[in-house]
Amino acid sequence: DQQVKQNSPSLSVQEGRISILNCDYTNSMFDYFLWYKKYPAEGPTFLISISSIKDKNEDGRFTVFLNKSAKHLSLHIVPSQPGDSAVYFCAASAQYTGFQKLVFGTGTRLLVSP
Amino acid sequence: DAGVIQSPRHEVTEMGQEVTLRCKPISGHNSLFWYRQTMMRGLELLIYFNNNVPIDDSGMPEDRFSAKMPNASFSTLKIQPSEPRDSAVYFCASSFYGTGANVLTFGAGSRLTVL
Repeated sequence: DQQVKQNSPSLSVQEGRISILNCDYTNSMFDYFLWYKKYPAEGPTFLISISSIKDKNEDGRFTVFLNKSAKHLSLHIVPSQPGDSAVYFCAASAQYTGFQKLVFGTGTRLLVSP
Repeated sequence: DAGVIQSPRHEVTEMGQEVTLRCKPISGHNSLFWYRQTMMRGLELLIYFNNNVPIDDSGMPEDRFSAKMPNASFSTLKIQPSEPRDSAVYFCASSFYGTGANVLTFGAGSRLTVL
């Protein structure tokens, strides 16, 4: 049972435009969410996170939005750059696990073309 | 800091052979995680340790899989005997477990191919 779902395996956008990556979760106990970025032959690296007490968190070109009622979060990249081309993983955790058990989605491959 | 170090980076073996993957976490981190990445299931948590003690191994697929952390700077994931369906990329990650959110730092992964 996939508790964190990324239904779009891939996304292609042009440089300078907005990239929107989506993530849905089913476990209402999740209260902390993260996005990781992964380049080929490397491990995932932390990008941005959001607590369930917020609905938006921004870091430079990256913004994560959380809609708790819909159990949905999204990552916006504006403007998109070719170097953003990577696989993006959404992850969720819950306080009752001490936020230790990160449950990941299957990832969305983003391709930003010049 | 060299980050999380995993070895080997690539392993090709035959079905039935024993496979041992190794991990050196970031110095000072007290939590260590083993994940497996497949196309179908993404990143799956296999097991994690706090202060060298296994906390949750519910993600370990079968008894063929075992993990140890004999000290704060070393962990192994062993598969015995290996099967073709074990082919995947195995990641080790570490973090400092205190209060609040937990951000993992991943190693570069070990790509396992079982023929």
